[in-house]
Amino acid sequence: SQQGEEDPQALSIQEGENATMNCSYKTSINNLQWYRQNSGRGLVHLILIRSNEREKHSGRLRVTLDTSKKSSSLLITASRAADTASYFCAVSGGSNYKLTFGKGTLLTVNP
Amino acid sequence: SAVISQKPSRDICQRGTSLTIQCQVDSQVTMMFWYRQQPGQSLTLIATANQGSEATYESGFVIDKFPISRPNLTFSTLTVSNMSPEDSSIYLCSVVGEYTEAFFGQGTRLTVV
Repeated sequence: SQQGEEDPQALSIQEGENATMNCSYKTSINNLQWYRQNSGRGLVHLILIRSNEREKHSGRLRVTLDTSKKSSSLLITASRAADTASYFCAVSGGSNYKLTFGKGTLLTVNP
Repeated sequence: SAVISQKPSRDICQRGTSLTIQCQVDSQVTMMFWYRQQPGQSLTLIATANQGSEATYESGFVIDKFPISRPNLTFSTLTVSNMSPEDSSIYLCSVVGEYTEAFFGQGTRLTVV
């Protein structure tokens, strides 16, 4: 299975602090994507990083990818209460674009 | 990015009945996907729905339980048949964008009583 596995399962921080979530997977991938889900609603796409990329930025988000360790990290800087959500990584390994999701990290940002 | 509309957003259904979930996309897409998210869990792929061919189901999911239609490049339906409380989940449809990122609808929260 290519399943992504996030850690920690839950993270609680204060507003203004940085939050780091990690994701590991098992097999080779084409890309890795990070998503946010608020209160069991739909998923919001945050960022996609391809297997030949090592780092990407988008606003307050920074994603790294280490294919030798089969791991990725998502850093949210200067967190806000509105960042409170579940964050999932998902990997895609074939031409069929199917995603395999990790179990997610529940991030709570306290005001 | 694609805009995906799912209907209904939520429903409470009696066991033994069936529910059809609709997914409408604002642009033509080749591949659509249906995922299930059980309470407190991550997402699991149910099937891939391609226009003009039978849906391809993942291990553990069968057509009799989750029939899928894909009549055109902007629309798909997923039916959850003969429901039991174990089918209580969020069901989400997804499409792939031009840069291979995946976009999701807002999901259908199904409760079976």
